[in-house]
Amino acid sequence: ILNVEQSPQSLHVQEGDSTNFTCSFPSSNFYALHWYRWETAKSPEALFVMTLNGDEKKKGRISATLNTKEGYSYLYIKGSQPEDSATYLCAPNNAGNMLTFGGGTRLMVKP
Amino acid sequence: GAGVSQSPRYKVAKRGQDVALRCDPISGHVSLFWYQQALGQGPEFLTYFQNEAQLDKSGLPSDRFFAERPEGSVSTLKIQRTQQEDSAVYLCASSSTGLSNTEAFFGQGTRLTVV
Repeated sequence: ILNVEQSPQSLHVQEGDSTNFTCSFPSSNFYALHWYRWETAKSPEALFVMTLNGDEKKKGRISATLNTKEGYSYLYIKGSQPEDSATYLCAPNNAGNMLTFGGGTRLMVKP
Repeated sequence: GAGVSQSPRYKVAKRGQDVALRCDPISGHVSLFWYQQALGQGPEFLTYFQNEAQLDKSGLPSDRFFAERPEGSVSTLKIQRTQQEDSAVYLCASSSTGLSNTEAFFGQGTRLTVV
């Protein structure tokens, strides 16, 4: 069983604040690192699939970086908006076809 | 439909009852996954199908849990003699290929409550 840790567990920010979360995972047998956003009453939605050490990906105000050698990824949100409120899940793929999810970071953005 | 569909959305079962949860993946998706999410935790892997073949069932918590995908499309997760600890959200996901470079598409989940 992989040990995937996300921090912080929860985060309250004001609208307009920028924020970031951390995902740490075992660096051995690494295939890919997935980030998902899960809004209440909806399906988890993929944000990024990252495979290469040093990868940086961006989608609008959200970006992510990946360090496979030390086993961590950062997710950044610039200028948070209330619609960014969700649980953000990271999941490394270290075993071919299985994602091991962290506990998630629950973000709440206050207007 | 365009996405992964799960039914029912909510299920209340009496302890000891058998339940069946259905997943309709995106058409043509080879890979199908079941996850269990307990309150306050991240989803935990249950089982994985490639077409109709169940290639990994290492996450199934007990022999009361059984999953099938007989024709390589729709999948059913069956839980026999439900217990209170089975209460969770059961998520299904599908992917066009493997997960090494392809995202998984999730359904909305089935929330199972065992009373």
